[in-house]
Amino acid sequence: ETGVTQTPRHLVMGMTNKKSLKCEQHLGHNAMYWYKQSAKKPLELMFVYSLEERVENNSVPSRFSPECPNSSHLFLHLHTLQPEDSALYLCASSQEAGGGRSNTGELFFGEGSRLTVL
Amino acid sequence: QKEVEQDPGPLSVPEGAIVSLNCTYSNSAFQYFMWYRQYSRKGPELLMYTYSSGNKEDGRFTAQVDKSSKYISLFIRDSQPSDSATYLCAMRRTGGYQKVTFGIGTKLQVIP
Repeated sequence: ETGVTQTPRHLVMGMTNKKSLKCEQHLGHNAMYWYKQSAKKPLELMFVYSLEERVENNSVPSRFSPECPNSSHLFLHLHTLQPEDSALYLCASSQEAGGGRSNTGELFFGEGSRLTVL
Repeated sequence: QKEVEQDPGPLSVPEGAIVSLNCTYSNSAFQYFMWYRQYSRKGPELLMYTYSSGNKEDGRFTAQVDKSSKYISLFIRDSQPSDSATYLCAMRRTGGYQKVTFGIGTKLQVIP
């Protein structure tokens, strides 16, 4: 496996279900992200984990719960979702420079998990 | 006002045409400017990256940044059907983790 892998690629769930999205990166990066991509909207940053610590939570509803057990794995736990949560959920990773220094900041994305909430 | 404005298209051009894609932004703190390309059913991938103002060329692709006008462009010369994709502009400030702000993306179709 190379790059960033997301599973499942497609998920259909009812509003009362509980499911999880999984992301794994094989790039040795130290930061991981969840983005939401909806039609006619820009990519929305949901969560950021840097060195396994959550550093950003962009006012995301509590029905989305992230988990980062180590630097290579990221989960998004879903429960009691709404139909408007139907979207493509993209995981990304990057190598964050230490000491406040910047680097190119390239985000490496997975192919996404297409979520449909009925 | 949105931080980043981008025309969603779609934009259809004949093969071989020069394509111009543009974004405007409002946050003068942005220093890094990027273009991502996203094929259908795939995640975005970095195409071009520029720091501050200026031009950058890579093969058929040229990225331009005009910070005084808060305007960035991506030019594609001799466009090919394989260039058909959605192009997302993206930008961020310096320092720290990579909090990137994306445009909505322009869908491009190059017709053979």
